[in-house]
Amino acid sequence: NAGVTQTPKFQVLKTGQSMTLQCAQDMNHNSMYWYRQDPGMGLRLIYYSASEGTTDKGEVPNGYNVSRLNKREFSLRLESAAPSQTSVYFCASSEGLARETQYFGPGTRLLVL
Amino acid sequence: RKEVEQDPGPFNVPEGATVAFNCTYSNSASQSFFWYRQDCRKEPKLLMSVYSSGNEDGRFTAQLNRASQYISLLIRDSKLSDSATYLCVVNPRGHNAGNMLTFGGGTRLMVKP
Repeated sequence: NAGVTQTPKFQVLKTGQSMTLQCAQDMNHNSMYWYRQDPGMGLRLIYYSASEGTTDKGEVPNGYNVSRLNKREFSLRLESAAPSQTSVYFCASSEGLARETQYFGPGTRLLVL
Repeated sequence: RKEVEQDPGPFNVPEGATVAFNCTYSNSASQSFFWYRQDCRKEPKLLMSVYSSGNEDGRFTAQLNRASQYISLLIRDSKLSDSATYLCVVNPRGHNAGNMLTFGGGTRLMVKP
């Protein structure tokens, strides 16, 4: 079992460029999440998907879009990257929203110049 | 006021020492509490849940004080391998985004030889 995988591991973008962060889990989990982590801020929820076919905004959704492609995959898209989106992005999954143990992917380090 | 607050540290302790971290939360309706561990440049992983009666897992003890709205983590006989950032995590039931976890900014522990 790979658990939760994320690609790419690192990315450098110029302001205004777009990109999609990919996430996949092989644990047959229903719920998936995207977080960003900034120094001193803790993990902040961007979007989540309670189950296949549904997505909802989290605490900091502006500038991002998501797609729950199927039960395994949940992608995060930056349409027009801004320097404020420089961060480490973590994808996570759990059995359900009510299941509080979340399993995290290794993260994507994004730098927007 | 942040929903979950932690002293960022770092806490520098010698091997074998006992160290304790506290975390305060603002939502008195919160139902579930956890400690996650995050190694440098890695993803967070669940360390232990925190129950009302307190719980122990080897050298780690977690306590909950609902009246004062804080949780604590005690590490006895510190090992070099305990060096990490410890994230306090709260499930603020009633949050308008559903059963979402709220993460503190983390407390960094450095255990020295």
